[in-house]
Amino acid sequence: GDSVTQMEGPVTLSEEAFLTINCTYTATGYPSLFWYVQYPGEGLQLLLKATKADDKGSNKGFEATYRKETTSFHLEKGSVQVSDSAVYFCALYSGYSTLTFGKGTMLLVSP
Amino acid sequence: GAVVSQHPSRVICKSGTSVKIECRSLDFQATTMFWYRQFPKQSLMLMATSNEGSKATYEQGVEKDKFLINHASLTLSTLTVTSAHPEDSSFYICSAPRGGNTEAFFGQGTRLTVV
Repeated sequence: GDSVTQMEGPVTLSEEAFLTINCTYTATGYPSLFWYVQYPGEGLQLLLKATKADDKGSNKGFEATYRKETTSFHLEKGSVQVSDSAVYFCALYSGYSTLTFGKGTMLLVSP
Repeated sequence: GAVVSQHPSRVICKSGTSVKIECRSLDFQATTMFWYRQFPKQSLMLMATSNEGSKATYEQGVEKDKFLINHASLTLSTLTVTSAHPEDSSFYICSAPRGGNTEAFFGQGTRLTVV
């Protein structure tokens, strides 16, 4: 079945540091890939997505590239801010039922 | 703005009572909605798939008699936690897909506390 593996957190960074959160997946066919962000006490918000190999999703300074050869969709940001502190979920959709989520990675950014 | 609205955002209830959570799609019709449960510091666990005009599909291990789902219209699904107990305390989130599920929109979530 489909699965998503994310690096375990928390990831603790200082403001303006470079961020990478690793995500790899297992899926049948050619899934669409997503990153969602969850701020404390809130629901999930779509951060970015990519629907085919080599696509790059980007939003709010975050980027992720759909790498079919390595089955990865790593999230990156060049300079994080305190306001980026949240939990980030990698997810995929392969055409069956609903999204498959990773376990989430908490990001803590200090001033 | 939000395209899926969930209400209430927080609820505290006494053990043994029932609680209803609403999930509305605001500017599109959703024949399918999903209900998730999230435990502290964990990912989302799919509980059930809500289908407009038909019975919900529950995931293995989810009690259908305890978590009643009604999808009476193309824009509203409700989850009722019946005879709630403290172990039902959790964060419940609904989701409605749009565009063939290439994108899912989430409600704001409901923090349920059973005392």
